[in-house]
Amino acid sequence: AIQMTQSPSSLSASVGDRVTITCRASQGIRNDLGWYQQKPGKAPKLLIYATSNLQSGVPSRFSGSGSGTDFTLTISSLQPEDFATYFCQQDYDYPLTFGGGTKVEMK
Amino acid sequence: QVQLQESGPGLVTPPETLSLTCTVSGVSVSSERTYWTWIRQPPGKGLEWIGYVYYSGGTKYNPSLKSRVTISVDTSKNQFSLKLNSVTGADTAVYYCARRIAATGERFDYWGQGTLVTVSS
Repeated sequence: AIQMTQSPSSLSASVGDRVTITCRASQGIRNDLGWYQQKPGKAPKLLIYATSNLQSGVPSRFSGSGSGTDFTLTISSLQPEDFATYFCQQDYDYPLTFGGGTKVEMK
Repeated sequence: QVQLQESGPGLVTPPETLSLTCTVSGVSVSSERTYWTWIRQPPGKGLEWIGYVYYSGGTKYNPSLKSRVTISVDTSKNQFSLKLNSVTGADTAVYYCARRIAATGERFDYWGQGTLVTVSS
């Protein structure tokens, strides 16, 4: 199975900060990578698919980049509602796998 | 709009069978290029893909669970279901049903709210 490794596992940031989360795949996955946001007690919410495509309704402060094995989720200016856990997910090969998550906490 | 809702027992005794149903509204489970999926999340942990069913009945499962899992679809009720047999405490998790769509990049675009299933005697 393809392993997805996220870093950092947690970070502290302030409103207005630029936040970057990294996801590394154990083998090349082309651009078959999605990002999800999860708040406590809620289901994950799709933010970005196919590396850089913004899901409808998601604010433009979220962006994604990368290819092959290394990918990045960027929040350009962190807002109060963005404090959450973020997961990457590869959709290149079965079994589909997720990263371990990055918890974004308030500094 | 598209909605998914999980239902089923919140407590299962080992080594019985965990059974959940996902009721879909706002879209047909017979839609093409759509994979009806189960994902689980143990308390405080990450997400694990369990498997999917296609409207034709075709399935694909996570090898780590393949010997114990069955996912099926009922097009007449617009539902799909999960059965996981021989459960243990390691199967305690929030179980989500989700729609995975294959269109300019596959993704899980709609999720149910999740249902906590506790495995305990």
